[in-house]
Amino acid sequence: DQQVKQNSPSLSVQEGRISILNCDYTNSMFDYFLWYKKYPAEGPTFLISISSIKDKNEDGRFTVFLNKSAKHLSLHIVPSQPGDSAVYFCAASASYSGAGSYQLTFGKGTKLSVIP
Amino acid sequence: IAGITQAPTSQILAAGRRMTLRCTQDMRHNAMYWYRQDLGLGLRLIHYSNTAGTTGKGEVPDGYSVSRANTDDFPLTLASAVPSQTSVYFCASSTSEDQPQHFGDGTRLSIL
Repeated sequence: DQQVKQNSPSLSVQEGRISILNCDYTNSMFDYFLWYKKYPAEGPTFLISISSIKDKNEDGRFTVFLNKSAKHLSLHIVPSQPGDSAVYFCAASASYSGAGSYQLTFGKGTKLSVIP
Repeated sequence: IAGITQAPTSQILAAGRRMTLRCTQDMRHNAMYWYRQDLGLGLRLIHYSNTAGTTGKGEVPDGYSVSRANTDDFPLTLASAVPSQTSVYFCASSTSEDQPQHFGDGTRLSIL
Protein backbone atom coordinates (compact mmCIF):
# COMPACT_ATOMS: atom_id res chain seq x y z
CA ASP A 1 0.00 0.00 0.00
CA GLN A 2 1.48 3.30 -1.07
CA GLN A 3 1.77 5.59 1.94
CA VAL A 4 2.77 8.72 0.01
CA LYS A 5 0.89 9.45 -3.18
CA GLN A 6 1.50 11.94 -5.92
CA ASN A 7 -1.46 11.37 -8.17
CA SER A 8 -0.38 13.65 -11.00
CA PRO A 9 2.52 12.13 -12.95
CA SER A 10 2.98 15.36 -14.90
CA LEU A 11 2.07 19.04 -14.88
CA SER A 12 2.59 21.79 -17.46
CA VAL A 13 2.56 25.46 -16.47
CA GLN A 14 3.23 28.68 -18.33
CA GLU A 15 6.29 30.65 -17.27
CA GLY A 16 5.39 33.29 -14.65
CA ARG A 17 2.29 31.44 -13.45
CA ILE A 18 1.88 29.43 -10.29
CA SER A 19 2.78 25.73 -10.16
CA ILE A 20 0.93 23.65 -7.58
CA LEU A 21 2.16 20.13 -6.89
CA ASN A 22 0.09 17.92 -4.64
CA CYS A 23 0.88 15.06 -2.30
CA ASP A 24 -1.35 12.88 -0.12
CA TYR A 25 -0.33 10.51 2.65
CA THR A 26 -2.07 7.77 4.54
CA ASN A 27 0.17 7.16 7.56
CA SER A 28 -1.03 9.34 10.44
CA MET A 29 2.33 8.86 12.17
CA PHE A 30 4.10 10.98 9.51
CA ASP A 31 5.07 14.31 11.01
CA TYR A 32 7.88 15.61 8.83
CA PHE A 33 7.50 16.27 5.13
CA LEU A 34 9.98 17.24 2.45
CA TRP A 35 10.02 18.15 -1.22
CA TYR A 36 12.91 17.19 -3.48
CA LYS A 37 13.62 18.30 -7.03
CA LYS A 38 15.37 16.03 -9.50
CA TYR A 39 16.92 16.83 -12.86
CA PRO A 40 17.75 14.01 -15.32
CA ALA A 41 21.02 12.18 -14.57
CA GLU A 42 21.35 13.94 -11.21
CA GLY A 43 20.44 13.01 -7.67
CA PRO A 44 17.41 14.53 -5.91
CA THR A 45 18.05 17.95 -4.38
CA PHE A 46 16.37 19.00 -1.13
CA LEU A 47 14.00 21.90 -1.72
CA ILE A 48 11.89 22.63 1.34
CA SER A 49 10.45 20.88 4.37
CA ILE A 50 7.69 21.28 6.93
CA SER A 51 7.01 19.71 10.27
CA SER A 52 3.53 18.85 11.47
CA ILE A 53 3.52 21.67 14.03
CA LYS A 54 3.26 24.13 11.15
CA ASP A 55 0.80 24.50 8.31
CA LYS A 56 2.98 26.62 6.05
CA ASN A 57 6.65 27.10 5.29
CA GLU A 58 8.05 29.56 2.81
CA ASP A 59 11.43 29.87 1.13
CA GLY A 60 11.64 32.41 -1.66
CA ARG A 61 9.45 31.32 -4.54
CA PHE A 62 8.62 28.01 -2.85
CA THR A 63 5.88 27.52 -0.26
CA VAL A 64 4.74 24.25 1.22
CA PHE A 65 1.29 23.95 2.79
CA LEU A 66 0.28 21.14 5.13
CA ASN A 67 -3.30 20.14 5.90
CA LYS A 68 -3.02 17.48 8.60
CA SER A 69 -6.72 16.73 8.83
CA ALA A 70 -6.84 15.98 5.11
CA LYS A 71 -3.39 14.32 5.14
CA HIS A 72 -2.47 16.52 2.23
CA LEU A 73 0.43 18.79 1.39
CA SER A 74 1.16 20.95 -1.58
CA LEU A 75 4.14 22.79 -3.03
CA HIS A 76 3.52 26.17 -4.63
CA ILE A 77 6.08 27.72 -6.94
CA VAL A 78 5.49 31.38 -7.76
CA PRO A 79 6.45 32.60 -10.28
CA SER A 80 7.35 29.46 -12.21
CA GLN A 81 10.53 29.59 -14.27
CA PRO A 82 11.76 27.30 -17.07
CA GLY A 83 14.62 26.19 -14.78
CA ASP A 84 12.00 24.75 -12.43
CA SER A 85 11.25 22.04 -14.99
CA ALA A 86 12.15 18.83 -13.19
CA VAL A 87 10.62 15.87 -11.36
CA TYR A 88 9.40 16.78 -7.87
CA PHE A 89 9.24 14.16 -5.16
CA CYS A 90 7.25 14.43 -1.97
CA ALA A 91 8.68 12.52 1.02
CA ALA A 92 7.51 11.89 4.58
CA SER A 93 8.88 10.47 7.80
CA ALA A 94 7.69 9.65 11.29
CA SER A 95 9.75 10.84 14.26
CA TYR A 96 8.87 7.98 16.54
CA SER A 97 11.80 6.54 18.46
CA GLY A 98 13.37 3.24 17.64
CA ALA A 99 15.43 1.62 14.96
CA GLY A 100 14.64 2.93 11.53
CA SER A 101 13.03 6.14 12.71
CA TYR A 102 13.12 9.08 10.34
CA GLN A 103 13.20 6.83 7.30
CA LEU A 104 11.86 8.70 4.32
CA THR A 105 8.96 7.34 2.29
CA PHE A 106 8.83 8.87 -1.18
CA GLY A 107 6.02 9.46 -3.60
CA LYS A 108 6.42 8.46 -7.24
CA GLY A 109 7.10 12.01 -8.38
CA THR A 110 5.47 14.65 -10.57
CA LYS A 111 7.20 15.88 -13.69
CA LEU A 112 6.82 19.65 -13.94
CA SER A 113 7.29 21.37 -17.29
CA VAL A 114 7.41 25.15 -17.29
CA ILE A 115 6.73 26.47 -20.77
CA PRO A 116 8.51 29.70 -21.75
CA ILE B 1 33.65 20.56 -3.44
CA ALA B 2 31.98 18.88 -0.49
CA GLY B 3 29.35 16.32 -1.23
CA ILE B 4 28.61 12.70 -1.99
CA THR B 5 30.53 10.72 -4.57
CA GLN B 6 29.12 7.54 -6.06
CA ALA B 7 31.05 5.11 -8.22
CA PRO B 8 30.72 3.80 -10.81
CA THR B 9 28.31 6.15 -12.60
CA SER B 10 27.03 3.23 -14.63
CA GLN B 11 27.69 -0.47 -14.98
CA ILE B 12 26.48 -3.42 -17.02
CA LEU B 13 26.77 -6.66 -15.12
CA ALA B 14 26.12 -10.30 -15.88
CA ALA B 15 23.58 -12.04 -13.66
CA GLY B 16 25.18 -14.00 -10.85
CA ARG B 17 28.16 -11.67 -10.51
CA ARG B 18 29.06 -9.83 -7.34
CA MET B 19 29.05 -6.03 -7.43
CA THR B 20 29.86 -3.32 -4.92
CA LEU B 21 28.58 0.21 -5.40
CA ARG B 22 30.71 2.78 -3.64
CA CYS B 23 29.53 5.84 -1.77
CA THR B 24 31.76 8.38 -0.05
CA GLN B 25 30.81 11.63 1.62
CA ASP B 26 33.09 14.33 2.96
CA MET B 27 30.54 16.28 4.98
CA ARG B 28 31.06 14.21 8.16
CA HIS B 29 27.38 13.29 8.13
CA ASN B 30 26.41 10.64 10.64
CA ALA B 31 23.54 9.08 8.73
CA MET B 32 23.79 7.45 5.30
CA TYR B 33 21.25 5.70 3.08
CA TRP B 34 20.92 3.65 -0.07
CA TYR B 35 17.87 3.94 -2.34
CA ARG B 36 16.86 2.44 -5.64
CA GLN B 37 14.75 4.31 -8.14
CA ASP B 38 12.65 2.36 -10.60
CA LEU B 39 10.38 3.78 -13.25
CA GLY B 40 6.97 4.53 -11.79
CA LEU B 41 7.98 3.56 -8.26
CA GLY B 42 9.82 6.57 -6.89
CA LEU B 43 12.72 6.01 -4.49
CA ARG B 44 12.70 3.05 -2.14
CA LEU B 45 15.05 2.66 0.83
CA ILE B 46 17.31 -0.40 0.71
CA HIS B 47 19.52 0.00 3.78
CA TYR B 48 20.53 2.80 6.09
CA SER B 49 23.10 3.60 8.74
CA ASN B 50 22.42 6.13 11.49
CA THR B 51 26.05 6.21 12.58
CA ALA B 52 29.34 4.45 11.86
CA GLY B 53 29.24 0.84 13.00
CA THR B 54 25.47 0.45 12.74
CA THR B 55 23.21 -0.49 9.83
CA GLY B 56 19.53 -1.23 9.34
CA LYS B 57 17.17 -2.61 6.75
CA GLY B 58 14.89 -0.43 4.72
CA GLU B 59 11.87 -1.25 2.59
CA VAL B 60 13.62 -3.47 0.01
CA PRO B 61 16.77 -5.01 1.59
CA ASP B 62 16.70 -8.50 0.07
CA GLY B 63 19.69 -9.29 -2.14
CA TYR B 64 21.72 -6.36 -0.79
CA SER B 65 24.18 -5.89 2.05
CA VAL B 66 25.93 -2.84 3.46
CA SER B 67 28.72 -2.01 5.87
CA ARG B 68 29.67 1.18 7.69
CA ALA B 69 33.24 0.83 8.89
CA ASN B 70 33.75 4.59 9.13
CA THR B 71 31.80 7.84 8.85
CA ASP B 72 32.64 8.58 5.22
CA ASP B 73 32.02 5.32 3.36
CA PHE B 74 28.87 3.28 2.90
CA PRO B 75 29.29 0.59 0.21
CA LEU B 76 26.34 -1.41 -1.11
CA THR B 77 27.01 -4.99 -2.22
CA LEU B 78 24.97 -7.25 -4.48
CA ALA B 79 26.28 -10.72 -3.66
CA SER B 80 24.77 -12.39 -6.72
CA ALA B 81 23.11 -9.93 -9.08
CA VAL B 82 19.71 -10.70 -10.64
CA PRO B 83 17.95 -8.86 -13.50
CA SER B 84 15.32 -7.42 -11.11
CA GLN B 85 18.12 -5.42 -9.49
CA THR B 86 18.46 -3.36 -12.66
CA SER B 87 17.84 0.14 -11.37
CA VAL B 88 19.34 3.51 -10.58
CA TYR B 89 20.92 3.50 -7.13
CA PHE B 90 21.23 6.64 -5.04
CA CYS B 91 23.31 7.12 -1.94
CA ALA B 92 22.33 9.87 0.51
CA SER B 93 23.57 11.30 3.77
CA SER B 94 22.35 13.63 6.49
CA THR B 95 23.83 15.22 9.60
CA SER B 96 21.43 13.22 11.71
CA GLU B 97 18.37 11.07 11.27
CA ASP B 98 15.98 14.02 11.43
CA GLN B 99 17.71 16.32 8.95
CA PRO B 100 17.17 16.56 5.16
CA GLN B 101 19.10 14.01 3.17
CA HIS B 102 21.57 15.03 0.50
CA PHE B 103 21.92 12.74 -2.50
CA GLY B 104 24.69 11.65 -4.82
CA ASP B 105 24.18 11.59 -8.59
CA GLY B 106 23.43 7.89 -8.71
CA THR B 107 24.73 4.67 -10.26
CA ARG B 108 22.85 3.24 -13.21
CA LEU B 109 23.10 -0.54 -12.97
CA SER B 110 21.94 -2.98 -15.63
CA ILE B 111 21.91 -6.70 -14.89
CA LEU B 112 21.77 -8.93 -17.96
